[in-house]
Amino acid sequence: NAGVTQTPKFQVLKTGQSMTLQCAQDMNHNSMYWYRQDPGMGLRLIYYSASEGTTDKGEVPNGYNVSRLNKREFSLRLESAAPSQTSVYFCASSEVGDRYFEQYFGPGTRLTVT
Amino acid sequence: AQSVAQPEDQVNVAEGNPLTVKCTYSVSGNPYLFWYVQYPNRGLQFLLKYITGDNLVKGSYGFEAEFNKSQTSFHLKKPSALVSDSALYFCAVRGGTGFQKLVFGTGTRLLVSP
Repeated sequence: NAGVTQTPKFQVLKTGQSMTLQCAQDMNHNSMYWYRQDPGMGLRLIYYSASEGTTDKGEVPNGYNVSRLNKREFSLRLESAAPSQTSVYFCASSEVGDRYFEQYFGPGTRLTVT
Repeated sequence: AQSVAQPEDQVNVAEGNPLTVKCTYSVSGNPYLFWYVQYPNRGLQFLLKYITGDNLVKGSYGFEAEFNKSQTSFHLKKPSALVSDSALYFCAVRGGTGFQKLVFGTGTRLLVSP
């Protein structure tokens, strides 16, 4: 099992450019999440998908959109990148979005917006 | 709303000595508590969780955590630290009913010196 995979690993964008971060999991998990990690701020939830066909906003959704393409895949799109979106982005999944289950994380995408 | 506090940005300990990484939480209802570890340039890895039952929870790599309801704490411990334990540690909490998001602390950097 590959677990949770993310592409790309690194990306540099100019302000105003758009891009999509891809995430896939092979653990047959129902719930998937996108986080961003910034120094001194821990992980903040951007969007999540409790189950296939549903998506909801997290703590910091502005400037992002998501698509739950199928049970395996959950993508994050930046329509018009801004320097404030420079961060490390992590995708995660869990069996269900219930309180009992731990989340499994991908290796991250390091994004720089100039 | 649920929240997590990790009061120490960094903990320094000598190899072979016991280590403690502190975490306190605030949540309505029963808490579901987690510890994750992040090694440099990697995603988060699950260490252990408290759902119910015994207040002392054992996890991966010899780590354990003690749930203390009266002090609303969930400190991570290890009897004998290794240099390879040096990493960033995150406490997280989920509470309430229904679909609940996981809320992370800001992280504590553990440095184990030889």
